[in-house]
Amino acid sequence: ETGVTQSPTHLIKTRGQQVTLRCSSQSGHNTVSWYQQALGQGPQFIFQYYREEENGRGNFPPRFSGLQFPNYSSELNVNALELDDSALYLCASSFGILGLAGADTQYFGPGTRLTVL
Amino acid sequence: ELKVEQNPLFLSMQEGKNYTIYCNYSTTSDRLYWYRQDPGKSLESLFVLLSNGAVKQEGRLMASLDTKARLSTLHITAAVHDLSATYFCAVDPAMNYGGSQGNLIFGKGTKLSVKP
Repeated sequence: ETGVTQSPTHLIKTRGQQVTLRCSSQSGHNTVSWYQQALGQGPQFIFQYYREEENGRGNFPPRFSGLQFPNYSSELNVNALELDDSALYLCASSFGILGLAGADTQYFGPGTRLTVL
Repeated sequence: ELKVEQNPLFLSMQEGKNYTIYCNYSTTSDRLYWYRQDPGKSLESLFVLLSNGAVKQEGRLMASLDTKARLSTLHITAAVHDLSATYFCAVDPAMNYGGSQGNLIFGKGTKLSVKP
């Protein structure tokens, strides 16, 4: 069974650029959530995709957008990068929405470290 | 605003000692998670607590949940160096608080350092 994978591992961009981060969910999982973790902080929820539809969104501006594909892999796109976007971006997958579809936990990927200069 | 507060935020322990990390939350929830994170690494699931009074143990770690007090504890028994990491609690907010279904709200983490 393959776990959650993310690419790239590290990324350096400059202010104003755009970035796409990718996540492959664990085998059999149809739900992907994205989190942003700033240095020294806990992860903050960005949004969740369930069966290719956005299921919920945290307090992030519209320049953070996402997509989920039929194979349940997912992308996080960030436009007009700002310095404060520098963080570890984590994706987590589960079989169903936590608490609703029988899923008990999310499994996190290794993360993508984004640095904005 | 939904809040999850952990204390202490930093904990330096000697090997062999016991200690407890506390996690208070401000919303109604009966689903609480504990994760471990090593430096530069992702989050590893430790415990999933799904009801009031739930208690789970794995090795030297034991987690409990009191939904009425909105409190979870992570107890460390006879600490060893390998337990050095940052520990996060996370709450799944109830729908009637406007939280999106299935998202988690994390505390700031407790950085644990176990010294010989």
